[in-house]
Amino acid sequence: AQSVTQLGSHVSVSEGALVLLRCNYSSSVPPYLFWYVQYPNQGLQLLLKYTTGATLVKGINGFEAEFKKSETSFHLTKPSAHMSDAAEYFCAVSDSGGYNKLIFGAGTRLAVHP
Amino acid sequence: SQTIHQWPATLVQPVGSPLSLECTVEGTSNPNLYWYRQAAGRGLQLLFYSVGIGQISSEVPQNLSASRPQDRQFILSSKKLLLSDSGFYLCAWRLTGGRREQYFGPGTRLTVT
Repeated sequence: AQSVTQLGSHVSVSEGALVLLRCNYSSSVPPYLFWYVQYPNQGLQLLLKYTTGATLVKGINGFEAEFKKSETSFHLTKPSAHMSDAAEYFCAVSDSGGYNKLIFGAGTRLAVHP
Repeated sequence: SQTIHQWPATLVQPVGSPLSLECTVEGTSNPNLYWYRQAAGRGLQLLFYSVGIGQISSEVPQNLSASRPQDRQFILSSKKLLLSDSGFYLCAWRLTGGRREQYFGPGTRLTVT
C-alpha cells in the first residue's frame, strides 16, 4: 500500500532563504506524486505534480520538486522564501487501486519570518 | 474552465442536530468526487468518494453519510451531529481517465457546540 511521510510538521525560514520541505513515499508501482498548498481557512491548491518523464518538476509560485526514485523522495524547494509562502504544504501519492484516491502526508506548516 | 463550489462556508450547529453540506462542480462531466475532513491539528481524512450518480464508497465508519443525486452534485449529511464532527470539510473532484490530480473546493468550517 502507498504511504507518504513528511519530515517536519513545522519549518521556519527567513524571508529570502531557501525553502526545503521533505517528502518520502512508499509505493509498489511507479508513483504519481503531488504537492498541494493550503492557506488558512482555504481549500488545497495544486502546486505541482510528477507523473512520468522529467524528474525535476516546476510548479506555481516559484516552487519545484525533484523525483528521486532511488531515495523514494519528492522534496519541495524554493530558492527564496516570500512572506506570502507561509502556509501548510501537503505531499500526496496517487493510490494504485481503483478510483485513484490520493494518500496525503500529515502536512508541513511553513513559517516565514522577516 | 472547471469550478467547484461548497456551501455554506461556515456553520455552527448544536450537538444532535442534522447536517447537510453541498458541493457542486461546473464545467466538467462525470467527475470523481471526494469528501475530506480536517480536524484541528490533524491532516486530511478521506470520508467518501463517488465515481458516478448514486455510487458512494465510505472510507471510515461514522455517523456521516454522502449522496450524489446528480452528476456534479455531492452532499454530505448527518442525522445527529457529534462534537467530534467539528472540522473543516473539503470537497474535491477529479477528471476520469489518466489524470490523477484532485481539485479542491473552498471548504466548509463546521463547529458543533
